Amino acid sequence: DVKVTQSSRYLVKRTGEKVFLECVQDMDHENMFWYRQDPGLGLRLIYFSYDVKMKEKGDIPEGYSVSREKKERFSLILESASTNQTSMYLCASSFLGNSGANVLTFGAGSRLTVL
Amino acid sequence: AQSVTQPDIHITVSEGASLELRCNYSYGATPYLFWYVQSPGQGLQLLLKYFSGDTLVQGIKGFEAEFKRSQSSFNLRKPSVHWSDAAEYFCAVGTGSQGNLIFGKGTKLSVKP
Repeated sequence: DVKVTQSSRYLVKRTGEKVFLECVQDMDHENMFWYRQDPGLGLRLIYFSYDVKMKEKGDIPEGYSVSREKKERFSLILESASTNQTSMYLCASSFLGNSGANVLTFGAGSRLTVL
Repeated sequence: AQSVTQPDIHITVSEGASLELRCNYSYGATPYLFWYVQSPGQGLQLLLKYFSGDTLVQGIKGFEAEFKRSQSSFNLRKPSVHWSDAAEYFCAVGTGSQGNLIFGKGTKLSVKP
């Protein structure tokens, strides 16, 4: 089975700190995604990447950046954390199968609290 | 633009009762449709998917879903709910290519003993 690992399950940071959320997948998937999940808002896409060093903005990229230097690793960066970035962050990876569909596999999530 | 609507925010059913979670989508072509489940504090797990062909699809944990093009719906069903099914359920639509999935806001399922 594909495994998507988010190294930090729970983080507490202070306003203004730089925050790195790391995600690693072990099945050579081309595509990787970062979502944030908030109660009542569902999942919203922050950024995704379809290849090494490539990135595309999602629906809510403001305040975030990403890095994909290796195929298996996709990092989400909060340059200067703010309290409104307190949330659950979910990483996912996928490949485009023969059916033409993009099936996402998710990590367990990283719950970030910014004080 | 694509969108997914899950009309029910929270549903409570008794253990052993049947379950139907509603999902309506908006998309011009034939969509790729998914149901995911999320247990508390966990990531999302794929329950089932529809790409083409038979409109009734079977998934894991005894779940099934039926694609109805005329109603733009993809409702999730289970004939007999178990206490371990208590979780949040997300419907999603995708377009293929490298694009991401569009998720509904989720339906939280509670199970009464």
